[in-house]
Amino acid sequence: GENVEQHPSTLSVQEGDSAVIKCTYSDSASNYFPWYKQELGKGPQLIIDIRSNVGEKKDQRIAVTLNKTAKHFSLHITETQPEDSAVYFCAASTGGNQFYFGTGTSLTVIP
Amino acid sequence: KAGVTQTPRYLIKTRGQQVTLSCSPISGHRSVSWYQQTPGQGLQFLFEYFSETQRNKGNFPGRFSGRQFSNSRSEMNVSTLELGDSALYLCASSLDIYQPQHFGDGTRLSIL
Repeated sequence: GENVEQHPSTLSVQEGDSAVIKCTYSDSASNYFPWYKQELGKGPQLIIDIRSNVGEKKDQRIAVTLNKTAKHFSLHITETQPEDSAVYFCAASTGGNQFYFGTGTSLTVIP
Repeated sequence: KAGVTQTPRYLIKTRGQQVTLSCSPISGHRSVSWYQQTPGQGLQFLFEYFSETQRNKGNFPGRFSGRQFSNSRSEMNVSTLELGDSALYLCASSLDIYQPQHFGDGTRLSIL
């Protein structure tokens, strides 16, 4: 089955700086890649997603890039704010609604 | 629009018992998926239901089962509970495949 690796596991940045989280996947048939933010005591919240026919997608301070050849995708958060502090998960799907998740990145934004 | 609702939020059981968790999807969503989240294994897919039929199944023992009703509400059942079943159980709903999944806040199950 699909295997998704996520790095780094923890990330600390100063407020206003950028944060980058990277994921790699193993199954070239994967074609949908969502990113989730999970705050303490809450379920994962979808923040952005990208499909395999698109190389990059942006939504305000958040962007995701996809390199199908290298089988990796990244989340970029610019102008980070303290409220961006959370655990972020990447995921991949080969079709259907069976998703494989990365192990998560705990992001801390230092005021 | 109301989000995904999971009940109960917290549950304490003992080994050998069984438990039923409930999930109400976002109105209009016909696909409901269940995940187990633990610190050691992360988020793992249990199964997905669409229009009352199980469409996908993860790699969990048969003690884990589910069903979906005609109104798309779903239940998950775990029988003969083991200590290792302690986890956050998350439900996610979507319109269909290739559509964004939206998660509830989960049911925290603790096994004593």
